[in-house]
Amino acid sequence: DAKTTQPPSMDCAEGRAANLPCNHSTISGNEYVYWYRQIHSQGPQYIIHGLKNNETNEMASLIITEDRKSSTLILPHATLRDTAVYYCIVRAGLYNFNKFYFGSGTKLNVKP
Amino acid sequence: GAVVSQHPSWVICKSGTSVKIECRSLDFQATTMFWYRQFPKQSLMLMATSNEGSKATYEQGVEKDKFLINHASLTLSTLTVTSAHPEDSSFYICSATADRGEKLFFGSGTQLSVL
Repeated sequence: DAKTTQPPSMDCAEGRAANLPCNHSTISGNEYVYWYRQIHSQGPQYIIHGLKNNETNEMASLIITEDRKSSTLILPHATLRDTAVYYCIVRAGLYNFNKFYFGSGTKLNVKP
Repeated sequence: GAVVSQHPSWVICKSGTSVKIECRSLDFQATTMFWYRQFPKQSLMLMATSNEGSKATYEQGVEKDKFLINHASLTLSTLTVTSAHPEDSSFYICSATADRGEKLFFGSGTQLSVL
């Protein structure tokens, strides 16, 4: 079951950074934070994941608070193609059988 | 990243018929696949976990006799919606773990419409 809370929608100006928050106050010590996004009528796309350290890849940065009760996904320079629903997921581990339960997500609207 | 191919992309069928959806991992072996369904403007709901060579495990409330899952090889899992009814109309998405289980990769989804 989803263990995360996200705002239902956010707006962002094209070219600006998009900061998407996620609350996971009941996260356990061995649970990972994942971010996926879904563009309309497509399968979700992996963005990034982390345990407690901040992470960065070619798509985004993940900032996890020290107490791990919340995190922020940062898209440094949002483009119109980043308009999607962004899902924050708490996963029990990294094994194949560890499931991904999706919450309600945040609809990010990138505007020109 | 790893590629998951799902087929068909969309299907329309008559009520009472069965529909099979295929999910293939193209460039990796998938010991575990997950099936989701998604209703319009809603999030993804996990239906079942499919493990190669063994019976699938279903989430609470998902009818195993309604949604038959077969994972006969390391690259193929199928979902059969038996005796489909209009309320089964939904977007079905398969996925598979890769990169030592760290990431989940998704197929492009199948839109099922039951008339």
